Amino acid sequence: SQQGEEDPQALSIQEGENATMNCSYKTSINNLQWYRQNSGRGLVHLILIRSNEREKHSGRLRVTLDTSKKSSSLLITASRAADTASYFCATEGRAGNTPLVFGKGTRLSVIA
Amino acid sequence: DVKVTQSSRYLVKRTGEKVFLECVQDMDHENMFWYRQDPGLGLRLIYFSYDVKMKEKGDIPEGYSVSREKKERFSLILESASTNQTSMYLCASNSPPSGYEQYFGPGTRLTVT
Repeated sequence: SQQGEEDPQALSIQEGENATMNCSYKTSINNLQWYRQNSGRGLVHLILIRSNEREKHSGRLRVTLDTSKKSSSLLITASRAADTASYFCATEGRAGNTPLVFGKGTRLSVIA
Repeated sequence: DVKVTQSSRYLVKRTGEKVFLECVQDMDHENMFWYRQDPGLGLRLIYFSYDVKMKEKGDIPEGYSVSREKKERFSLILESASTNQTSMYLCASNSPPSGYEQYFGPGTRLTVT
């Protein structure tokens, strides 16, 4: 299966700054999701954006999707030390009812 | 709240041992998944199941088998553990379709010596 690719692999910012992470994928999708993983723990779902949506917000999170470029971005505004985690994108293929395909993740460090 | 539990957080086994990793979910989800996570490789799907007694191979099934005798429980079995199976193992579940939000367990960090 074709994994998504997050960019950058690692990101370090100061508390209060915005963090932007990108995800590119290779095949047509039904939806794209973002997950967070705190060190040594399981993943937690953050947000889902469908292929017919272009932008979605949830609290301090903003996700965009550009299906023509097969890419998505996750913006975390006014970051906090507690946002330090790895962030993964995951896609559901157009065929439907197929398992999610996860990217390799972006490691975000927010320095207080 | 959905809860997915895994039988152990940390496990140390010897090469050649048979290893069982258990996963239980309490939300009556039809779909369950097993992943392994390694640095630089992200999450890779080992096996998944859409119903009791059903199983499907994921991307890296070699060296693993699974069992789903009850809807809430999905077991991953390493028939003969090897050092290259040292990894973090994550279980997840969701309701159909399988491509929607998944709920993850806390993970089992397995070390094979």
